[in-house]
Amino acid sequence: GQNIDQPTEMTATEGAIVQINCTYQTSGFNGLFWYQQHAGEAPTFLSYNVLDGLEEKGRFSSFLSRSKGYSYLLLKELQMKDSASYLCAVKDSNYQLIWGAGTKLIIKP
Amino acid sequence: DAMVIQNPRYQVTQFGKPVTLSCSQTLNHNVMYWYQQKSSQAPKLLFHYYDKDFNNEADTPDNFQSRRPNTSFCFLDIRSPGLGDAAMYLCATSILTGATSGANVLTFGAGSRLTVL
Repeated sequence: GQNIDQPTEMTATEGAIVQINCTYQTSGFNGLFWYQQHAGEAPTFLSYNVLDGLEEKGRFSSFLSRSKGYSYLLLKELQMKDSASYLCAVKDSNYQLIWGAGTKLIIKP
Repeated sequence: DAMVIQNPRYQVTQFGKPVTLSCSQTLNHNVMYWYQQKSSQAPKLLFHYYDKDFNNEADTPDNFQSRRPNTSFCFLDIRSPGLGDAAMYLCATSILTGATSGANVLTFGAGSRLTVL
């Protein structure tokens, strides 16, 4: 079967750095997405990786290792507004999006 | 601003009483999706439209139906809601189907939260 694993919940301090990991086992790979979802709101697109390496976008960076089936989302200079769920999703060989259950990130002052 | 709008944001229904959820988009995207998301779970794709072509996921119950009368609107009909259908229903759009190279980012609506009594 296909599977995306993420930690259920993480806690971090305002101003700090946090890394949210995602491991995947899918039939093929055609890209990996990270979405942010605030409670009761729509998921919004954060990043897309299809090649190995780090993609940086402001305070957020996303890393991919296809050989390890692994990605992480790195959030720097954490702000209270970053409290949200972070969803990892992989596009498989049939171009179907396989979603993780999301990581709930709690930011403390 | 171009966007995806879902109505109602909150819907309470009784067991077995039909419900219709609506989604409209001003993005002029070809593809519209309906996802079901339960608390702390991954979004589950129910079906999607590529233009007027309807694509049903194999494990989507017959209780769930959909209509897309035009490019801008899509409806989710739950014919006889059960307690297990209580969830957030998310509508999303994209320019093309996922069967393309590149990001093909989904734009989501804010969701409709369904409560079944």
